[in-house]
Amino acid sequence: DIQMTQSPSTLSASVGDRVTITCRASQSISSWLAWYQQKPGKAPKLLIYKASSLESGVPSRFSGSGSGTEFTLTISSLQPDDFATYYCQQYNTWTFGQGTKVEIK
Amino acid sequence: QVQLVESGGGLVKPGGSLRLSCAASGFTFSDYYMSWIRQAPGKGLEWVSYISSSSSYTNYADSVKGRFTISRDNAKNSLYLQMNSLRAEDTAVYYCARERSIAVAGDAFDIWGQGTMVTVSS
Repeated sequence: DIQMTQSPSTLSASVGDRVTITCRASQSISSWLAWYQQKPGKAPKLLIYKASSLESGVPSRFSGSGSGTEFTLTISSLQPDDFATYYCQQYNTWTFGQGTKVEIK
Repeated sequence: QVQLVESGGGLVKPGGSLRLSCAASGFTFSDYYMSWIRQAPGKGLEWVSYISSSSSYTNYADSVKGRFTISRDNAKNSLYLQMNSLRAEDTAVYYCARERSIAVAGDAFDIWGQGTMVTVSS
């Protein structure tokens, strides 16, 4: 099974900060990676697919990069609405990372 | 608008059964692969099962294989998850979700339902 490891588990940041979350796959997944944002009590929301493609309607401050086994999600300037938990997911076999909580510093 | 609405969750005793439903609207349901994903309280996301657009292919996480059955009725725009031999560790919010590409296996999930809570406890 392909394992997905996110880091860090928790990230404290301020509005306006540049934030980067890393996701590593236990084996190559090409670019078959998605990023989701989830707020408490809500369903996840797709942000990025195919490692770097921005989902329609998602603000351009979100970007994704990487291929193979190492991937990053970057928020260029953190906004109040961005405090949430972020998950990566490989969709060869649909494994999710354990999540990264972005909290207010 | 494009929407998925789950129902059927509730409290069930260990060893019991439950059937979840997911009603789709606003898109051509029969074109898309669909999945169930769950989230235990305070935990991360776990993919549970998928079904192809025509029901020809299904797949399950090892944790539910042999106990859960996914199905769909394209005429009714509905997805189902029959859950048998339920365990305490199956307690979770269950989401149905649509894969973003038509008739493709293995894609990101672009549409999610609001979730339905399943609690397995005596």
